Amino acid sequence: EADIYQTPRYLVIGTGKKITLECSQTMGHDKMYWYQQDPGMELHLIHYSYGVNSTEKGDLSSESTVSRIRTEHFPLTLESARPSHTSQYLCASSEFRAGGRTETQYFGPGTRLLVL
Amino acid sequence: DAKTTQPNSMESNEEEPVHLPCNHSTISGTDYIHWYRQLPSQGPEYVIHGLTSNVNNRMASLAIAEDRKSSTLILHRATLRDAAVYYCILTEGSNYQLIWGAGTKLIIKP
Repeated sequence: EADIYQTPRYLVIGTGKKITLECSQTMGHDKMYWYQQDPGMELHLIHYSYGVNSTEKGDLSSESTVSRIRTEHFPLTLESARPSHTSQYLCASSEFRAGGRTETQYFGPGTRLLVL
Repeated sequence: DAKTTQPNSMESNEEEPVHLPCNHSTISGTDYIHWYRQLPSQGPEYVIHGLTSNVNNRMASLAIAEDRKSSTLILHRATLRDAAVYYCILTEGSNYQLIWGAGTKLIIKP
C-alpha cells in the first residue's frame, strides 16, 4: 500500500487567498509529481521533481509553484487563488530507475479545491 | 497527446472476466505499456506493465499483441470493487512522463 499523503482533502476558499497544498511520502522516493484533474477528464502533469532542490514544469501551464526542500515533502502553492483554479490536485511519487520507463507512480488521495 | 486509444466505457457482469482493449499503433520499440486504474474519488493506482511478453500479477493479466500495436488488460473475475476508470499509458519523452488519456470507464453490474 502506498504511503503518500495529501492535506487537506477538500478546500473551499475565496478568490485572492494564498493556499498551500501539502504532499508527503514516506517511501524515500526521489521523484515526485503534481497533476491536475478536472471531473471526468484526464490527468495533466503540472510540476515534477527529480529530488531535493529540483523542480520542473510539466506539460500543462500552471500559475502554481512548488518547492522540494526535503525528499519526503513536495508542497504546491497558489499565491492568489482564482475560480479557474478549481480542480482536483493529485500528488504522486516514484522510485528513480535508470531508464525511467518502468517506474511505478504511487498516488495520494488528492485535494479537491473549490475557489469561490 | 496520449498515444493510446481506448473505448470510453464498458460494462461487464460481476464475477465474469473482463477484457479491456487498448490500441497503441505508434508505439516505439522501447516503450513500456502501463495500466493504472482510478476508483471513484481516489487517486490512480498502478495495475500492471509490460514490454513484449504477457504479464500476470495478483490484480490482472496483460496480453500484448505480437506486433505490440495493441494490448488487453484482463480482469479474470470482476467484482463490484473493480468499477473504475482504467488507463492504458505509454511513457513519453526523455524524462519518461506518463501521458494520460481519458481511459475506459468500467461498469460492473451485480
